[in-house]
This record gives sequence, C-alpha cells and structure tokens, in this order.
Amino acid sequence: DVKVTQSSRYLVKRTGEKVFLECVQDMDHENMFWYRQDPGLGLRLIYFSYDVKMKEKGDIPEGYSVSREKKERFSLILESASTNQTSMYLCASSLTGEDGYTFGSGTRLTVV
Amino acid sequence: AQRVTQPEKLLSVFKGAPVELKCNYSYSGSPELFWYVQYSRQRLQLLLRHISRESIKGFTADLNKGETSFHLKKPFAQEEDSAMYYCALTLYGGSQGNLIFGKGTKLSVKP
Repeated sequence: DVKVTQSSRYLVKRTGEKVFLECVQDMDHENMFWYRQDPGLGLRLIYFSYDVKMKEKGDIPEGYSVSREKKERFSLILESASTNQTSMYLCASSLTGEDGYTFGSGTRLTVV
Repeated sequence: AQRVTQPEKLLSVFKGAPVELKCNYSYSGSPELFWYVQYSRQRLQLLLRHISRESIKGFTADLNKGETSFHLKKPFAQEEDSAMYYCALTLYGGSQGNLIFGKGTKLSVKP
C-alpha cells in the first residue's frame, strides 16, 4: 500500500542537464515537501508546498525549483545539474503538522 | 530559529543493553516532537510522536521542556533496532507542518 511514490529509485545525469524528480501521493494531503539527505548533514528542506500552485523555499533552494500543478503531484527540478547536487532526494507529504510525514522511498541522484 | 541537535553521529551498543539516543531542541514555543527511523534500504518512517505518548517497538521518548530534550530510550536493544534515527520538530498547531530534522544518529546493535 505505497502512499508516496517517487518515480525513480536511481538516476545518473550529466552536469548541466535539466533533471525532473517526480513525487505522487494518494492520501489527498495538502502539504508536500522535498528534502535532500546527505551523510552527516541529515535532512535539509529544499522546497515545500501547502496547496496546488503554491510553493515556499526551504533552507537550501538554490539550484532547484518545484512545480505543483495537481494536488497529488510535486515535482522537483534541477535547472542545470551540478556534481554538488549528487544526493538522496526524499519526497514527503502530510495532512497537518501534528500528523507527521509520510515519506517516499527516495531517489538517489548521481551527477557526473 | 528552531533547531534540533542530535549530539551523537554514531551510537554502538550490545544486544540487550539499554539505549538512549539524545535529542535537544531550541524553540521557545510549544513544539511537537517526533522520532523517525530509517532501516537499511527502507524508507524513512515515523517511529513515534510526543503527542500520542505511545510506545513503538519498545521505544519511548519523554519531552522534558525544562531541559528542552526529547531523548529516545529502549531498555533492551535488539539487533533489528540497528538503523538511522532522526529527531524532528514542528510548530504545534502549524497547519503547514514543516518538520525540522536533526542530523541523525546511527544506532548499531552488536550481537
């Protein structure tokens, strides 16, 4: 019963490519989030969205953008991939703050 | 600014020993606190949350507002508890629910 689905488990892209990471949730959650997870740095918030077509910057938005055209889908875009964006990317959704998050299984992106 | 600190990057204990993963936070309001766990090759999942006061897989955590701590405890560690643990905070009553995560503690339970 997968509830948050990230389209790719592993991706390898070249420097300068435009990269799309897709996330879909089937729980009718208002809030969706993109984090990157790096060893020793924990989870860092890139962008989040609390409604369709709404987006807010997180702690490390530089080099990224997002799109939320439908409630269930939240896309992360790397406009021009760089090697320092090699990381594990986690998508999550939530109904309210107190409910906590449901996470996707992650996309491990390698930029070469 | 809100902050979550997990002082230990790695914690190693033997099976059957008690375990305590430390978490301290800085926030002057009424936070809601969580522990998340990520087992090897699995997705990050909610372990427990302060508001529900439940015990999951033998783990408990008590919010100590005086010490601004939310340490995770288990009296007898099992090998299957080996995982990465993250403490997280959100603003109570915040409808948007942004979670602020600590950097994580890797728990290794040795046989």
